[in-house]
Parts: sequence; C-alpha cells; structure tokens
Amino acid sequence: GAVVSQHPSRVICKSGTSVKIECRSLDFQATTMFWYRQFPKQSLMLMATSNEGSKATYEQGVEKDKFLINHASLTLSTLTVTSAHPEDSSFYICSARRAGGGNEQFFGPGTRLTVL
Amino acid sequence: GQQLNQSPQSMFIQEGEDVSMNCTSSSIFNTWLWYKQDPGEGPVLLIALYKAGELTSNGRLTAQFGITRKDSFLNISASIPSDVGIYFCAGPPAGGTSYGKLTFGQGTILTVHP
Repeated sequence: GAVVSQHPSRVICKSGTSVKIECRSLDFQATTMFWYRQFPKQSLMLMATSNEGSKATYEQGVEKDKFLINHASLTLSTLTVTSAHPEDSSFYICSARRAGGGNEQFFGPGTRLTVL
Repeated sequence: GQQLNQSPQSMFIQEGEDVSMNCTSSSIFNTWLWYKQDPGEGPVLLIALYKAGELTSNGRLTAQFGITRKDSFLNISASIPSDVGIYFCAGPPAGGTSYGKLTFGQGTILTVHP
C-alpha cells in the first residue's frame, strides 16, 4: 500500500509554455500533499504544502503565481509551472501523507522537466 | 529553519561490507524516517522510527532512534550492488506548527563496488 504516482514522468517544453504535473495517491486518501524540487545530487527542497480543499502554503522564496497548486480531491494534487523558463528545469517530486496516518510521507516517482 | 546533519556525505564500499550512516539535530524529533532514492526516482521509505531508543530492522537494514531524540543511525549489513543510491534521514521537528513538513538531511551517496 501507500503508492503515489506522478504524471508525466518527463516533459520537455519550450520556454514560455505552461506544464501541469499530476500527483495521485493510488491506494489511500491524502489530506496533505507536498511538492518538492530537487537538483542533481542534492537534497529535496520543499516548495509547497497542499491541503485538500484549501489554498496551498508556499515556502519562502517560491512564487505562488508561477507554481500553481491545486488539491481538488483526497487523491489528486496538481502543480502547474506557468510560463516556464530554462531555470525551471529540474526534478519535481510530490509526496502524500495518509489521512489519519503518522508523519510518513510517500513519494511519487518524480517528473523530470526540461525547458528549452 | 531546522537542520539535520547527515554523515557521511558519500561512501565507496566493497560488496559484502557493512555500512553505517547517521543524522544529528540540535532539536528534538518525534519521528525519524529513513528513505532511499535511486537515480531518477522518488525516495522510498525504508524505516520509520517513533520512540526514543527504538531499534527497527527491515531485512538487512537496521535503524535506531537515539535516546536523546536528536539523532538516528541507519546500518546496512552485507551490502549488495543494488544498495547503491542516496539515503536520506528525515523527520518532523517536535513542537511548532510544521503541519507535517519534513526536514531532510543532506543525503549519503552510497556506491558499492562488486
């Protein structure tokens, strides 16, 4: 149990376009989902915390108008990178925390975004 | 913010050797989590620790929650090539309003030579 999927697994887009990444908890309900960004050989950097039915909470330095997060249901959160630029190229990973569960976060497989 | 100091940063070992890595914090943690991340993948939860002094095993992996609640270690016995990856410790700092957010260590990059 506790499987999280992400789609797409990798995406290449042109500068100025928007990209949507989906995160789904497949076999459990997640009241809270998290979005991370990771650079090569570095730790995970939390971008935002997404609670079902409410606005996401963004970490300091993360532009909420650029990284739009929607948590429409207990099993789905989406991250939209708007007007992407090459510096947005990165590995984006979501995680989900089980409703009524402990502090464990279960991670998706990640999305490799390349902006040309 | 909270910091977790994870060491060593990298390890190069021979297949069959045992591995030990640890995390320390200046603050108390209520939960310690150990994750492994394969290249190009998301982290996978290996072991979760909930009580000070707790020692938990998962196959060849053993992790302990330090008595002071400020540290944890992960041991891997008889390493094999598929143990290669980055290992992260993580946990929610005790108290405060972290809303379930995890603080992550810097990671330990493990390389196993056949």
